Amino acid sequence: EPEVTQTPSHQVTQMGQEVILRCVPISNHLYFYWYRQILGQKVEFLVSFYNNEISEKSEIFDDQFSVERPDGSNFTLKIRSTKLEDSAMYFCAKDSPGRREQYFGPGTRLTVT
Amino acid sequence: AQTVTQSQPEMSVQEAETVTLSCTYDTSESDYYLFWYKQPPSRQMILVIRQEAYKQQNATENRFSVNFQKAAKSFSLKISDSQLGDAAMYFCAYRSAAGTASKLTFGTGTRLQVTL
Repeated sequence: EPEVTQTPSHQVTQMGQEVILRCVPISNHLYFYWYRQILGQKVEFLVSFYNNEISEKSEIFDDQFSVERPDGSNFTLKIRSTKLEDSAMYFCAKDSPGRREQYFGPGTRLTVT
Repeated sequence: AQTVTQSQPEMSVQEAETVTLSCTYDTSESDYYLFWYKQPPSRQMILVIRQEAYKQQNATENRFSVNFQKAAKSFSLKISDSQLGDAAMYFCAYRSAAGTASKLTFGTGTRLQVTL
C-alpha cells in the first residue's frame, strides 16, 4: 500500500498558467515535504510543512510557489505563473512514524510549454 | 549548510557480482541520518537503506549494506549479487536529526548499469 499518492501523474501546461499539484497521505501525519527534480539532475528540497505551517523553504521556493492543506487531508503545491524552467518532477514526501525516513510519492511530471 | 557528493556519475556491474557506490558528505553536526534511495526509470524514489550517525554498526538490508566512516564523512553502498532489477539511479542523502521538519539533502546520483 503506497504511503503517499500524488495527482496528476503528468501535467502539461502553458507558460504563465497556474498549476496545482496534489499530494494525499494515506494516514494522518503532521510533516510534509515537496521536492523537485529537473530531468537528469538531483532531487532538490523546496519546502517543508509542519502542523499546517511552512517550517522551512529553499531559495527555489519563491513567491511563485505556495503550499496549502486545504481540507486537512490533501496537501497542495501551487505554482502561480509557470515558467519553462519549472518543468520537472515534483515529489511529495512524508515522514515515517519514527521521523527518520521520508517516504516519497510517485511524483508529478510537470511539463511547461 | 550540508553537502553531499557522489563522485561516480555512472557505474557498471555484471549480474551476480558486487559493486560499491561512493558518497561523501560535509556537516558540522554530530547527529544525523544517511540514506540511499533508488530511482528506477519510473522515477519513483525508493528508500534502500538508512544509517544513524550515532550507530557504529553498518546497516544492512538483504543484499544491500553500507560502509559508514563517520570521521571520514564517507557513506558507501555495497550491492552484492547484483540483479538486473538493481539497474537504476542511486542517490545518497543526508538528514539532520535536529529540528522539527528536517529536509533531505541529496547528492547528484550514480547511474548503475547491470549487465549480463
